[in-house]
Amino acid sequence: AQSVAQPEDQVNVAEGNPLTVKCTYSVSGNPYLFWYVQYPNRGLQFLLKYITGDNLVKGSYGFEAEFNKSQTSFHLKKPSALVSDSALYFCAVSPMIKAAGNKLTFGGGTRVLVKP
Amino acid sequence: GAGVSQSPSNKVTEKGKDVELRCDPISGHTALYWYRQSLGQGLEFLIYFQGNSAPDKSGLPSDRFSAERTGGSVSTLTIQRTQQEDSAVYLCASSFPTSSVGELFFGEGSRLTVL
Repeated sequence: AQSVAQPEDQVNVAEGNPLTVKCTYSVSGNPYLFWYVQYPNRGLQFLLKYITGDNLVKGSYGFEAEFNKSQTSFHLKKPSALVSDSALYFCAVSPMIKAAGNKLTFGGGTRVLVKP
Repeated sequence: GAGVSQSPSNKVTEKGKDVELRCDPISGHTALYWYRQSLGQGLEFLIYFQGNSAPDKSGLPSDRFSAERTGGSVSTLTIQRTQQEDSAVYLCASSFPTSSVGELFFGEGSRLTVL
């Protein structure tokens, strides 16, 4: 069975500073990895994904994430955070097998608070 | 509609009552998922429908929970004899299963409060 760990319940960062949200995973075989964001009173929105290829993946709103197979990590990063990035961020994993469909296993979420 | 629609947005019920939560997926999406988001916890997978295949019910927490999907479109999640621990936000998502891997489109959820 696969699992995702987001070790930080909350990350606080000043506007304009770099933002990192940590994620590690466990899955049999090769993973598909994802980040989703949930803004207040909104549904989850897809941010980016790693399927194969380049370990550095770029997504929406200036976010990127780096897949590190040896460390089983997929940390989310943004070079310069905005107040509007304040939200709840979820990392997710799916095994790279057709039978899994798009069934994702999510982490517990990390709340990001960007202060002006 | 343009997105995944869920109703009701809020539901308050008494312990022991049955509730039904509805999900209307994006037109043309053949895969539909239900997740549960409890306070302070992540998203918990409940059930997955893909076309005419038998649903993956491996995440349903008890036999009080059931779901159906009629005509390959609208889905209803039913919780019988609700308990206080069922209080959560129930999220529905839909996707194309074979393309756009992992890109699920979520509704805004149905918040269930069991008194």
